[in-house]
Amino acid sequence: EVQLVESGGGLVQPGRSLRLSCAASGFTFDDYAMHWVRQAPGKGLEWVSGISWNSGSIGYADSVKGRFTISRDNAKNSLYLQMNSLRAEDTALYYCAKGHRGNTKWERSAFDIWGQGTMVTVSS
Amino acid sequence: DIQMTQSPSSLSASVGDRVTITCRASQGISNYLAWYQQKPGKVPKLLIYAASTLQSGVPSRFSGSGSGTDFTLTISSLQPEDVATYYCQKYNSAPLTFGQGTRLEIK
Repeated sequence: EVQLVESGGGLVQPGRSLRLSCAASGFTFDDYAMHWVRQAPGKGLEWVSGISWNSGSIGYADSVKGRFTISRDNAKNSLYLQMNSLRAEDTALYYCAKGHRGNTKWERSAFDIWGQGTMVTVSS
Repeated sequence: DIQMTQSPSSLSASVGDRVTITCRASQGISNYLAWYQQKPGKVPKLLIYAASTLQSGVPSRFSGSGSGTDFTLTISSLQPEDVATYYCQKYNSAPLTFGQGTRLEIK
């Protein structure tokens, strides 16, 4: 079964850091671009960051550029999001999502598999 | 950046109705357009990619069309289980922007 399982969310104070993880199984992880997408409570979907299969190409939404870092470890079938200088507006459910086509640029990705999400709350 | 605008923001229709949701890009995106369904409290689900290609396992009552700047998602015969919020998403280039969503309810 194809599966993505996120972890690492929680309550954090403004200005602090948090690292999210996503464990992938059931597919050839290093064939696909991977992404983080977030959803603030009661709001719509916002793409956060994407990474190519070999980490050679990475992109970020303007709202997180310079604060968040995406990475992956293909040997461990894992995706990560290091979040620094967190703000109240970063409060959201963070989803890990798989690119829908193998051997494709991350910029040319729809998202065919989603994890259940991990909640990040930024509050003092 | 290219903006994605969906209409309507919400709609109410009866079981069996034909329902159409539109998505407009502020610049041309060829056919790099996906549609998602998110049921209340659930994870988003990919319905359609490449503007008109049905994802495996999605009921055939869902269809997509369009190219360039104007796209539509059509449900040919609305079912009770289709109550959800629907999002379009462009993926021709970064950022991979979503529309604001369309909430679909049963009348």
